[in-house]
Amino acid sequence: VMTQSPVTLSVSPGDRVTLSCRAGQSINGKLAWYQQKPGQAPRLLIYGTSTGATGIPARFSGSGSGTEFTLTISSLQSEDSAVYYCQQYNRWPLTFGGGTKVEI
Amino acid sequence: QVQLVESGGGVVQPGRSLRLSCAASGFTFSTYAMHWVRQAPGKGLEWVAVISFDGRSKFYTDSVKGRFTFSRDNSQNTLYLQMDNLRPDDTAVYYCARDGVDRYYFDSWGQGTLVTVSS
Repeated sequence: VMTQSPVTLSVSPGDRVTLSCRAGQSINGKLAWYQQKPGQAPRLLIYGTSTGATGIPARFSGSGSGTEFTLTISSLQSEDSAVYYCQQYNRWPLTFGGGTKVEI
Repeated sequence: QVQLVESGGGVVQPGRSLRLSCAASGFTFSTYAMHWVRQAPGKGLEWVAVISFDGRSKFYTDSVKGRFTFSRDNSQNTLYLQMDNLRPDDTAVYYCARDGVDRYYFDSWGQGTLVTVSS
């Protein structure tokens, strides 16, 4: 089970934002983060805990180990308003967290 | 660039069948595993199934085992999801997604197709 917190986050442009994702057991760093804006498909941000996907702005970074993982947005931009999901790919079935909605 | 285009969604009665397609372009389709991921209205993401690059291996989430069949035609760069005995809780936007280099996350997504199961 993947648990994300908080469920909703209200922030301002320029803020440093930290989103959390907790796994029920160790996932050996096999964690990805996605961004989903209303009416759009998700977009891969981070894989392997901390590797940025192609074309992702440097303000997005990932960290963590074991069962605790974090997505950080170093300086929030208005276009970062979205729902963010974590996903483990260490074991079947592949599972997502419930999401964190970032409101600006 | 990678492009994934789903089709085949619609409104269907419980117990009936529907087949989704996903047309891929912009990459060497036959070398990638592929997935279906769904999202019920207003809800989060749920992985549905994966198929290996050659179509020989498939895994499904428990809730669709025995009802959904995932296949691919590498000569046509197309995926198929045959959905039988549909239930109201199968109502969702269905996305096809390409497997990431490090397996098994999703590095490219289609725009999705909506399946509504209702009488």
